[in-house]
Amino acid sequence: GESVGLHLPTLSVQEGDNSIINCAYSNSASDYFIWYKQESGKGPQFIIDIRSNMDKRQGQRVTVLLNKTVKHLSLQIAATQPGDSAVYFCAENMPGAQKLVFGQGTRLTINP
Amino acid sequence: DAGITQSPRHKVTETGTPVTLRCHQTENHRYMYWYRQDPGHGLRLIHYSYGVKDTDKGEVSDGYSVSRSKTEDFLLTLESATSSQTSVYFCAIGGISYEQYFGPGTRLTVT
Repeated sequence: GESVGLHLPTLSVQEGDNSIINCAYSNSASDYFIWYKQESGKGPQFIIDIRSNMDKRQGQRVTVLLNKTVKHLSLQIAATQPGDSAVYFCAENMPGAQKLVFGQGTRLTINP
Repeated sequence: DAGITQSPRHKVTETGTPVTLRCHQTENHRYMYWYRQDPGHGLRLIHYSYGVKDTDKGEVSDGYSVSRSKTEDFLLTLESATSSQTSVYFCAIGGISYEQYFGPGTRLTVT
């Protein structure tokens, strides 16, 4: 599959453990944030989103936390499974435009 | 990838030749986007469309043009391909919210 990044930050976790992936965003005026998952050879897949009027949002096995004070976003994956191995991207909206700005991504590796 | 297809999925072409990539959606979304993805650069916006015949440039638009003659199709053209345009190209669609949904990608190699 395609290589999405030669020097991506990498997080290795044991199967069954919880994973936390972090992202710093750049624009304090951004009010919408998304996490994407990209498996090798595939397009980015929407996981979960959050608006700036929230601090936390939960999905199925995933939780996104937003700290606007320090412009930080995190994705927590509970009970990590082998299928969670992928590159994870955060994205923030570009205020005033229907566009997103993407982070570089973090590669999550699951150890058996 | 449901509702979004890209063609071709793989293409090898020579420097100086024109290339057109196609994105087709069945979701009737207003917004369509073309990105390129390269190691070390992540996803970068090339062009986007906010309606039929309405397009605008992204951050890496030089050497690319786009057209959208109907809601479901968004074409990306490399007028004269260069080796620096070797990349993986993704199309995305979006509605009135900011979320975008991506196609499966096209791997383009310019020799």
